[in-house]
Amino acid sequence: AQSVTQLDSHVSVSEGTPVLLRCNYSSSYSPSLFWYVQHPNKGLQLLLKYTSAATLVKGINGFEAEFKKSETSFHLTKPSAHMSDAAEYFCVVGSAGNMLTFGGGTRLMVKP
Amino acid sequence: EPEVTQTPSHQVTQMGQEVILRCVPISNHLYFYWYRQILGQKVEFLVSFYNNEISEKSEIFDDQFSVERPDGSNFTLKIRSTKLEDSAMYFCASSEARPTGGSSTDTQYFGPGTRLTVL
Repeated sequence: AQSVTQLDSHVSVSEGTPVLLRCNYSSSYSPSLFWYVQHPNKGLQLLLKYTSAATLVKGINGFEAEFKKSETSFHLTKPSAHMSDAAEYFCVVGSAGNMLTFGGGTRLMVKP
Repeated sequence: EPEVTQTPSHQVTQMGQEVILRCVPISNHLYFYWYRQILGQKVEFLVSFYNNEISEKSEIFDDQFSVERPDGSNFTLKIRSTKLEDSAMYFCASSEARPTGGSSTDTQYFGPGTRLTVL
């Protein structure tokens, strides 16, 4: 069985400051890991995907995530937050059968 | 850029009624999925569909649920007799194909969701 824990349900940052959204996973094999973002009234948009090619994964809009097997973590970061980054972010683990298991989500708020 | 679309965006129904949620996956994709998110809870997998068959389903996907690809473009989720607890946001997703080897999961592209309210 696999599971995902997003350690913060809400994160608030000021515009221009770094963003850190934390995610820990549990999987019985080498997982595929994803971050998705959901803006209000929009679908889930893929930010980035890890599939063991490289531990540091770069995504869209300046986001990146680092896979750390020893810590079973896949934290999402961005050096400088923008107002348009305010959204809900989901850490997701995939199974070999293509079933996705979602974390509980982190709502990112960006203050001007 | 190709997108997954879903209709309707909102659906209100009475308990016990049948509802059909519709999705148009990305045109060259071969795998299709439904997920749901009850308000305040996690997004949950319901079912995956490939080659006109269900390939995986969760324990949520009981006999009240069915999926169909009635033509070359649509993918539908039917709930035969809705219950209050079926109220949720339902997301459709599609992916190109299952990888031919290893444990890698194919990237799934999601639609905007249908908000189902059962009264």
